Formats: sequence, C-alpha cells, structure tokens
Amino acid sequence: DTAVSQTPKYLVTQMGNDKSIKCEQNLGHDTMYWYKQDSKKFLKIMFSYNNKELIINETVPNRFSPKSPDKAHLNLHINSLELGDSAVYFCASSQSRLGEQYFGPGTRLTVT
Amino acid sequence: GENVEQHPSTLSVQEGDSAVIKCTYSDSASNYFPWYKQELGKGPQLIIDIRSNVGEKKDQRIAVTLNKTAKHFSLHITETQPEDSAVYFCAASIAGNQFYFGTGTSLTVIP
Repeated sequence: DTAVSQTPKYLVTQMGNDKSIKCEQNLGHDTMYWYKQDSKKFLKIMFSYNNKELIINETVPNRFSPKSPDKAHLNLHINSLELGDSAVYFCASSQSRLGEQYFGPGTRLTVT
Repeated sequence: GENVEQHPSTLSVQEGDSAVIKCTYSDSASNYFPWYKQELGKGPQLIIDIRSNVGEKKDQRIAVTLNKTAKHFSLHITETQPEDSAVYFCAASIAGNQFYFGTGTSLTVIP
C-alpha cells in the first residue's frame, strides 16, 4: 500500500565511501524528485526527473547522481561522501510537474 | 530564483485556539502554493494548496489565503488539537517547476 518507499531508512557510513539510496513509487506518477533536509529542517530540492528529463539544482555537487532504471524508480548515488552530506534525504513523486507531490518516509544519512 | 520566507519558526498555542503561519514569496510568476505537514520521523504530507487564481481555500479546520499583490499567503488552523503538532512548510512553485520551500514552522498545541 506504500505510495513512495525508500531504502534504507537509516544509513551510517564513513567519509569517502560511495552509497546509494533507493526510491520506488507505485502511484504511476511521471515525475520523481530528491530533496535534502538538513539539521535545521530546511528542505531543498536536489533533482527532478520527468520522462527522462533531468533537472538539476545547480547547487548540488556532482558527487550526487540520480539514476532511474524505470519510471517507478529514482535512486540516488553519492560518491566520496563528506561530513556535510549528513542529512535526511526524501524522495517524492507527482503525476506531473504541476501536481501534488507525495513524499517518501526519508533516509537519514550519517557520515562519520 | 524564488525566495520563500516563513514566520514564525516556532509557535505554541493552547488546544482549541487558532494558529496562523505566514509566508512571503519573491517571484510574482509563482502560481502554486502548497502547504505540507511533517510529523516526527515522517516525510512531508500535503494538507492544502492554493493556486494563484483563487484567494482563499478551506478544508474543514484548515484554510489558506493568498494575496497576490502583496505576495504573501497564510495557513490558518482553527480549533487546534494536539495531533496538529508538527512542522509545517509552505512552498511556492512556478507552473510546477521547482518547489521552493519555506524554512518551516514548528507548531506545538498544548493540551
């Protein structure tokens, strides 16, 4: 029944490692997003992906790369993790860019 | 790009009282304004939204007002209940392009 799911829920890793977070939506939506929420709860969009068109927030380091194997999945791959990458990462989806966004439960990433 | 400011950052009200959260935006082209509620340990959930061709929208105890001229919009929660306690985010979007979120308001309803 879960609309937008993410795995893992918690991820603890060391600096310099490479990690991936997976996202799946079963709503049949066309657009998916990745957001970063920092310790002050500030939500910032990282990527949106619609029909193979990727829009990147220019402030996102190129160590972050989204990968979409199909319309229902948008995974986030992070290379060479840094301490500042510690945050909660949310995946979201919407029917179109004009529609309501449904958020996943979040993945809390801690880089030590 | 768009800049969304949200006030207050924290708000405490007695159960049964009303709560008001205000947001301002900078880009007059913004035309979609959703409000999200985020409970502890969960993702944000849409509670109400308004488009620029409407001045006010209500859904039971929740209402949103939009003043396009002044570029501000507000969330009103009446008859607050303890389960309304959460972090609330406003957002602004231009034709469904990137959503720009406010900085959040932590609402506490005191029983």
